[in-house]
Amino acid sequence: DAGITQSPRHKVTETGTPVTLRCHQTENHRYMYWYRQDPGHGLRLIHYSYGVKDTDKGEVSDGYSVSRSKTEDFLLTLESATSSQTSVYFCAISESVGVGNTIYFGEGSWLTVV
Amino acid sequence: QQQVKQSPQSLIVQKGGISIINCAYENTAFDYFPWYQQFPGKGPALLIAIRPDVSEKKEGRFTISFNKSAKQFSLHIMDSQPGDSATYFCAARAGGNYQLIWGAGTKLIIKP
Repeated sequence: DAGITQSPRHKVTETGTPVTLRCHQTENHRYMYWYRQDPGHGLRLIHYSYGVKDTDKGEVSDGYSVSRSKTEDFLLTLESATSSQTSVYFCAISESVGVGNTIYFGEGSWLTVV
Repeated sequence: QQQVKQSPQSLIVQKGGISIINCAYENTAFDYFPWYQQFPGKGPALLIAIRPDVSEKKEGRFTISFNKSAKQFSLHIMDSQPGDSATYFCAARAGGNYQLIWGAGTKLIIKP
């Protein structure tokens, strides 16, 4: 298994509170991603990073911010959590984005916003 | 144009049968088509992948069939086993930022 650790694995939070999810990798992969998974929507990219301090938006970035201060760590922050952000969040990593590249996923973080 | 449409949403197959999951796309610039398998409580993992210059790729009991003119590709699982019960996602690599566009997923149940 790829060395990806997500924390926390489960969290219940109240509407309006800030939440930070952490992803830590031991593979030294250049690319890191945050996805959310919801029934009927598959996996949707929130933000991704292509290097330290280099990030870009995915298709569902509104309400989320990210930071990558070290190669191994990628943080996802919900500035003010809403019920629509209740989801399973997956961190993923890859060496490149070339054809044939494999994306490796963490085990997910279950977030419930009440 | 950036969508990948996956069907069916769920599928029940008897043990030993053939499971077939289909995906369709519009963007002819997509250049790589992987399938990922996800077990409950786990993250997705790469199962098999194909490039558009190949019509079929087989790995063990898993085969991807690719129809470039129809802009469709499918996953066939031969001799389906209960251990194949999982959610399967198709995806396509987009131009521009080269990120994967994902299908909505198919929950496959293999009945013993």
